[in-house]
Amino acid sequence: EVQVSESGGGLVQPGGSLRLSCAASGFTFSSYAMSWVRQAPGKGLEWVSGISGSGGSTYYADSVKGRFTISRDNSKSTLYLHMNSLRAEDTALYYCAKDLEGYYDSSGYYTYYYTMDVWGQGTTVTVSS
Amino acid sequence: SYELTQPPSVSVSPGQTARITCSGDALPKQYAFWFKQKPGQAPTLVIYKDSERPSGIPERFSGSSSGTTVTLTISGVQAEDEADYYCQSAYNSGTYHVVFGGGTKLTVL
Repeated sequence: EVQVSESGGGLVQPGGSLRLSCAASGFTFSSYAMSWVRQAPGKGLEWVSGISGSGGSTYYADSVKGRFTISRDNSKSTLYLHMNSLRAEDTALYYCAKDLEGYYDSSGYYTYYYTMDVWGQGTTVTVSS
Repeated sequence: SYELTQPPSVSVSPGQTARITCSGDALPKQYAFWFKQKPGQAPTLVIYKDSERPSGIPERFSGSSSGTTVTLTISGVQAEDEADYYCQSAYNSGTYHVVFGGGTKLTVL
């Protein structure tokens, strides 16, 4: 069964740091792009960051650029989100999600959809003093 | 910045057809994806690449695209379809930007 499971959330003070992890199983991890998506209490979904299957390409929402770093260890089938300079507005449930299988575009370049076909149950991050 | 616009709410009676729209300037060039989220649960992909249905999603869920608008249609709505629905797309302007619509609350009367 294809699964992803997040961990590492918790209570942190403003300006602090936290590292989230996402353990994947049931699929060839290195073949798929992965994303982090968050949802503040009572709010909608917000994409945070994405990473290609190899880890060579990373993308960020403007709201977290320069503060968050996405990475992956394909030997451990694990995705990470390193979060620095945390703010109250970063308080949310953070989901890890697997992408659909990639494809070759018209230029012959292998790329991804950067969508989410399998989601974890999320890990809660609370930024408060 | 790029945005996807959805109506905040849609209401239908059981057995009727619900249509949820999502508008965005890049949609003619980029695929759209739809997610269903019930309270306290993670989202679930219900439509991908504008109109494809993942395995396990009931046939009453369908998607379509026309110009800058994509539409999620739920035919013969059932009580269990009451949920929040989000559209999502991604575009590449030198770097990828992934965007969600604001979400639509579907109420089954």
